This record gives sequence, C-alpha cells and structure tokens, in this order.
Amino acid sequence: QKEVEQDPGPLSVPEGAIVSLNCTYSNSAFQYFMWYRQYSRKGPELLMYTYSSGNKEDGRFTAQVDKSSKYISLFIRDSQPSDSATYLCAMSGGEYNFNKFYFGSGTKLNVKP
Amino acid sequence: DGGITQSPKYLFRKEGQNVTLSCEQNLNHDAMYWYRQDPGQGLRLIYYSQIVNDFQKGDIAEGYSVSREKKESFPLTVTSAQKNPTAFYLCASSILTSGYNEQFFGPGTRLTVL
Repeated sequence: QKEVEQDPGPLSVPEGAIVSLNCTYSNSAFQYFMWYRQYSRKGPELLMYTYSSGNKEDGRFTAQVDKSSKYISLFIRDSQPSDSATYLCAMSGGEYNFNKFYFGSGTKLNVKP
Repeated sequence: DGGITQSPKYLFRKEGQNVTLSCEQNLNHDAMYWYRQDPGQGLRLIYYSQIVNDFQKGDIAEGYSVSREKKESFPLTVTSAQKNPTAFYLCASSILTSGYNEQFFGPGTRLTVL
C-alpha cells in the first residue's frame, strides 16, 4: 500500500466551479500536510500547508485535514483557467526524518473558460 | 533573486552513458533533495543531503550517485546502471528544523534516453 493515495484525474470543470481535490494516507504519524501546484514542465510550488487537523483558508483556496479519517482536501472556489495544473499533496512528520516528504501522484485539473 | 537553478532544462543521453544534472541554490539552505517524477507516479526521492559531505539514499537510489562538496550545490549523476532513466528530475532545498520545513523546488531537468 502506498503511503499517500491521490486520484490522478484528469478533472475537468467549467470556469467558476468549486473544485475538490483529495488525498488519503496510511501513516497516522504525519503531522504536516501540504498542497503543491505544478504547471506543465515546471517545478512544483507550495500553495498551502496545514499542521495537524483543521482548516486553513487563503483566498480562493481552503485546505482541510481530518486526521481521524486520514483524509485531506483542497477546495478551490471560483476556479479560473489559470488554476489548470497538476496538484500534488505531500505529507511529513513522524518517527523518522521530519524533512522527508511523501507525495501523492498528483491530480491534473483543467478549468475550461 | 534567491532560488534554485537546475541545468540543463533538457538532456538527451545515449544508452550506456553517464550524465550529470546540476542543482544550485542561493537560499542558504542546509538540506537538498533529488526527486524523480514519472507520469502518474508523483515524486519519488532519490537522494537527500542535510549537510556538506554527507548524503543519504532515498527510495530509488539504485543507478544514481550524488556529491555535496559545497552547501550551494548538489549534482546528480545518472549512471548507465539506471535501467530506465527517462524522466523529469527535480531538485529541492529546505532549512533544517524539527518542525515544518518547506521544500523549494527548482524548474526541473527532463532527461531522455535515446
């Protein structure tokens, strides 16, 4: 079983839609939960990170962590064509090296004008 | 501008050749990482280094080698022992603390074996 599971998509939505991206994980020791955005042929860039359970909002983006279910989500409100990219979840923390990140496979999002 | 640079952007290699990918950072970060990205598989850790002259294997180190002679530089060599080297290679760096450490990524190098 992979440490982190993520639906690869692709996910296609019309402009203005609410997008929900999700990851599940198996290691209950994870404490930090990140979402990266990666445009085609570019390096990933950090969108948001959350510590432990709860919600975090940044503009049109909301990250949710439910540690009891080992489930994290990223919501994008009023999606724009510029949001079209691959979204990677990542996690770290636990009994080993805090600096080791475990990545999901990425979900490719296409927002149609 | 602070950041991470990788070169070249595209690299072509013949079978049996070793190639070296460059990664440089001017963020004064102690830790540096190499990842490999294949379609549908996300990022897999090849090697990482937390201090000069020291590095550890990641999950898929076979067929790769690294060096860390300077804090700013962490080159990756893809050797002929790597059976399927065609992929997108990403370098990252971070500070070192016991808590959260954001990893900053470079723009990547796309390696193709001919």
